[in-house]
Amino acid sequence: SAVISQKPSRDICQRGTSLTIQCQVDSQVTMMFWYRQQPGQSLTLIATANQGSEATYESGFVIDKFPISRPNLTFSTLTVSNMSPEDSSIYLCSGGVGGGSLSEQFFGPGTRLTVL
Amino acid sequence: AQSVTQLGSHVSVSEGALVLLRCNYSSSVPPYLFWYVQYPNQGLQLLLKYTSAATLVKGINGFEAEFKKSETSFHLTKPSAHMSDAAEYFCAVRPYTSGTYKYIFGTGTRLKVLA
Repeated sequence: SAVISQKPSRDICQRGTSLTIQCQVDSQVTMMFWYRQQPGQSLTLIATANQGSEATYESGFVIDKFPISRPNLTFSTLTVSNMSPEDSSIYLCSGGVGGGSLSEQFFGPGTRLTVL
Repeated sequence: AQSVTQLGSHVSVSEGALVLLRCNYSSSVPPYLFWYVQYPNQGLQLLLKYTSAATLVKGINGFEAEFKKSETSFHLTKPSAHMSDAAEYFCAVRPYTSGTYKYIFGTGTRLKVLA
């Protein structure tokens, strides 16, 4: 298994500013992902964080708005840029381990973001 | 495209009663299937997963799920609900495609346990 921590756990930000969320895994993981969970809704995948290269974004998400870094196998950051109230959500990081039937994702506790 | 449907956004049961949370997937090839639980203000915790080894999967906290290919279902059950089971439950699928680790999540079911 993997234990995932995120910082900050919550923040309140002003419109137009940016926030960087950090994700730390206690062991090496094959894949790292960033999700958004809007109030009362399910998880939507933002992107796959690739080590040492550009992240792979899902439809509807772009690098200018959500730049992602993954400098090594255990750490990643997500920046929410030029924030608006619509960006108020929980942002979750996850780490994937194993392949085939052994694959599993472990989730961080999330970062609760409120944009005023 | 793969999808997963959870019937019932809210389910209420009495303490001690059977818990049944429904999940159906759309795929011609059975994917890997997962149930996660999310307690208030926390991240997701894996309850159990189906990886084709056995159709009845036992998880943590007394939960189990049965994979039924003919019904494309993976419903979550617990014989006797406890107050501590109140949480949001998410069904997820990972397509059985080489090289992809992406999960697709259902919309979630909020379980309420009545005293």
